[in-house]
Amino acid sequence: DIQLTQSPSFLSTSVGDRVTITCRASQGISTYLAWYQQKPGKAPKLLIYLASILQSGVPSRFSGSGSGTEFTLTISSLQPEDFATYYCQQLNSYPLTFGGGTKVEIK
Amino acid sequence: EVQLLESGGGLVQPGGSLRLSCAASGFSFPAYTMTWVRQAPGKGLEWVSSISNSGGTTYYADSVKGRFTISRDNSKNTLFLQMHSLRGEDTAVYYCAKRYCSGDTCYNAFHIWGQGTMVTVSS
Repeated sequence: DIQLTQSPSFLSTSVGDRVTITCRASQGISTYLAWYQQKPGKAPKLLIYLASILQSGVPSRFSGSGSGTEFTLTISSLQPEDFATYYCQQLNSYPLTFGGGTKVEIK
Repeated sequence: EVQLLESGGGLVQPGGSLRLSCAASGFSFPAYTMTWVRQAPGKGLEWVSSISNSGGTTYYADSVKGRFTISRDNSKNTLFLQMHSLRGEDTAVYYCAKRYCSGDTCYNAFHIWGQGTMVTVSS
């Protein structure tokens, strides 16, 4: 099974900051990675797929990069509505797996 | 509007059974692989099971293999998850999710999610 390790698991930051979250896969997955945003009590929302393709309607301040085993999600200028938990997920093979999550909180 | 609506959650004793349903609307349900994802209270997301568009191919997480069965009724646009031998660690919100497709290419990413249904396994 492919394991995904996200870091950090918790981030305390401010509006306007640049935020970078890392996701490392236990084996190469090319660009078969997605990123989700989840707010409390809500279902996850797909932000990015294939490592860097922005889902329709997602603000351009979100971007993704990486291939193989190392991936990043970047929020260029954090907005109040971006405080949430972020998850990576590998699309490469079953069993599908998610990273442990990164909670982004207001400093 | 594309929508998924789960139902069937509730409180069940350890060792018990429960059947979850997910009613789909607003898209061609028979064309898409569908998936169940769960989230234990305060924890992260866990993929549970997926089923191909025809129902002919199924996949399960090791944690539920042999206890859960995924199925679908394409004539009724409904996805199911039959759960047996339930354990405390199965306590979670269960989401159904639709696979994302761009043109003719589909990916194991999920762009449409239901609101979730809570399953609590406790005596």
